[in-house]
Amino acid sequence: AQTVTQSQPEMSVQEAETVTLSCTYDTSENNYYLFWYKQPPSRQMILVIRQEAYKQQNATENRFSVNFQKAAKSFSLKISDSQLGDTAMYFCAFWGQGAQKLVFGQGTRLTINP
Amino acid sequence: NAGVTQTPKFQVLKTGQSMTLQCAQDMNHEYMSWYRQDPGMGLRLIHYSVGAGITDQGEVPNGYNVSRSTTEDFPLRLLSAAPSQTSVYFCASSYSRGRPGELFFGEGSRLTVL
Repeated sequence: AQTVTQSQPEMSVQEAETVTLSCTYDTSENNYYLFWYKQPPSRQMILVIRQEAYKQQNATENRFSVNFQKAAKSFSLKISDSQLGDTAMYFCAFWGQGAQKLVFGQGTRLTINP
Repeated sequence: NAGVTQTPKFQVLKTGQSMTLQCAQDMNHEYMSWYRQDPGMGLRLIHYSVGAGITDQGEVPNGYNVSRSTTEDFPLRLLSAAPSQTSVYFCASSYSRGRPGELFFGEGSRLTVL
């Protein structure tokens, strides 16, 4: 069974700084998808970024980028020029081929301070 | 579009009572799922469905039933509520093909079992 581990329960940075959230996963599959979801205080889960395992190029979405290391089974999220609105719980998630389910990590609570 | 709609948003039950959490989506998504969110444990899959008439168990199915009679609706039933079912519940949907793992979430339902 796949597992996803986020080793940083909480992080805090100043506005405009860059922050990196860590995620590791365990799988025997070769083709899969990785995600970062954001859950702000409103509780609504929002997709931040998506990475396909067969693509070597790291995904980027504006200020959000990932560092995908397939051999190391590592998938970190970098937030550049952090903003107050980035304050949220961030979840790393894994979707395997044929699994029909998203497996989530425990989450990292990120606080952006003014 | 309303997206994914969950009702109720808050509910308090007594041990042994039954209830149904409703979930409806208007995006013609084939895939629908229910997750529960507990502190420090991320989101865990309860049940999922890949189409009308098809359901399957997730990671934590005990104490919950689901059915999928239409594409739009995917209710979650608690047959005899227990305090261990106190949690926040999320319904999520997506297209089965094309972009797996990209889930659209409802706003969540906070359930307290006394």
